[in-house]
Amino acid sequence: DAKTTQPNSMESNEEEPVHLPCNHSTISGTDYIHWYRQLPSQGPEYVIHGLTSNVNNRMASLAIAEDRKSSTLILHRATLRDAAVYYCIPRPGGYALNFGKGTSLLVTP
Amino acid sequence: EAGVTQFPSHSVIEKGQTVTLRCDPISGHDNLYWYRRVMGKEIKFLLHFVKESKQDESGMPNNRFLAERTGGTYSTLKVQPAELEDSGVYFCASSQGSGQYYEQYFGPGTRLTVT
Repeated sequence: DAKTTQPNSMESNEEEPVHLPCNHSTISGTDYIHWYRQLPSQGPEYVIHGLTSNVNNRMASLAIAEDRKSSTLILHRATLRDAAVYYCIPRPGGYALNFGKGTSLLVTP
Repeated sequence: EAGVTQFPSHSVIEKGQTVTLRCDPISGHDNLYWYRRVMGKEIKFLLHFVKESKQDESGMPNNRFLAERTGGTYSTLKVQPAELEDSGVYFCASSQGSGQYYEQYFGPGTRLTVT
């Protein structure tokens, strides 16, 4: 599986945009890039995924670099409820999600 | 639509006892997964069912762990006998398909404490 590098932690003010980076330089051409998050005391929650093009859904946007070696999860207006650990997970196929350490996002009022 | 449910939410048992965790996936999801996070570690994959068949149990730590999914609906994960290092949070997830395109939906987890 592709190795990922994410900041251990990030901080944002409420109502401001947040850009969560992920480096996955060893990703192969067919690996989808998934993002999950885990709110305190809850199970992981799917956020978004993409392959090559930028993707948007109701929760977030995913910007994928042209060479696919990195991606950025964008929360357009952070809320207190977005405080969570965010995981960037390249998926080469198959089924198991390989959670790394993720980025712990702190949102302050 | 009901999400993935897990029971119990918390279990405290003594070393050497047996515990059975249950997971009910989202209705219609043939794929069911078990993961766990032990103290201070990352979330790790345990195994994957497609309907009632085990597709991959490469993440199961040892033969004290037994997972079943009779009838292809709910699943159970039994730990017998439990050891201290089994303490952690056990998550179940389900998905419509098993390919890389499909997202997985997780339950709230069962917190297992072995004393």
